[in-house]
Amino acid sequence: QQQVKQSPQSLIVQKGGIPIINCAYENTAFDYFPWYQQFPGKGPALLIAIRPDVSEKKEGRFTISFNKSAKQFSLHIMDSQPGDSATYFCAASESTDKLIFGTGTRLQVFP
Amino acid sequence: EAGVAQSPRYKIIEKRQSVAFWCNPISGHATLYWYQQILGQGPKLLIQFQNNGVVDDSQLPKDRFSAERLKGVDSTLKIQPAKLEDSAVYLCASSFLNTEAFFGQGTRLTVV
Repeated sequence: QQQVKQSPQSLIVQKGGIPIINCAYENTAFDYFPWYQQFPGKGPALLIAIRPDVSEKKEGRFTISFNKSAKQFSLHIMDSQPGDSATYFCAASESTDKLIFGTGTRLQVFP
Repeated sequence: EAGVAQSPRYKIIEKRQSVAFWCNPISGHATLYWYQQILGQGPKLLIQFQNNGVVDDSQLPKDRFSAERLKGVDSTLKIQPAKLEDSAVYLCASSFLNTEAFFGQGTRLTVV
């Protein structure tokens, strides 16, 4: 019940494409759902986060869609760029601490 | 604003040896976390401190792992004795009053 399932494991898109990464959770007590971006040799960095009281949140080219009834949330990257190539992790927690991370999605954006 | 500092960046040890990692959180951040990230997986929380007190260490293998946060600032994570399966990146993170967690670059440990 504490798991966060993430898919796909890897994703390859052309520049300008819209990669979509999906996550699912079981614990209905989770109320904080962040997405982290990690480049090789670096620690994860917060990209965008959502609370379950809204169904969508946009920050620049990044959008989170949240479906509370299905216990699923997803990350959309609009107009993807080669610089977006990184590993993306979804996470969930009952507050903002004790994050439970998904297994990660390696995104490659080709020019 | 300086980020979370960790050292060393890399460490190679033989199994059954001991190793220690150091973390200096962002100034003013009362909450400090240690995560273990095995290659190809997401980070897994090992221990959480609030100031110098332990909030959660339920996933810390206490027979070999220990951590402390003296004076509520810097923290050290120790493994003794190390096993092959401890090979991973050890990430330290800090946050201010239950807000966003900021991660350091991590220490990559290889146990041979």
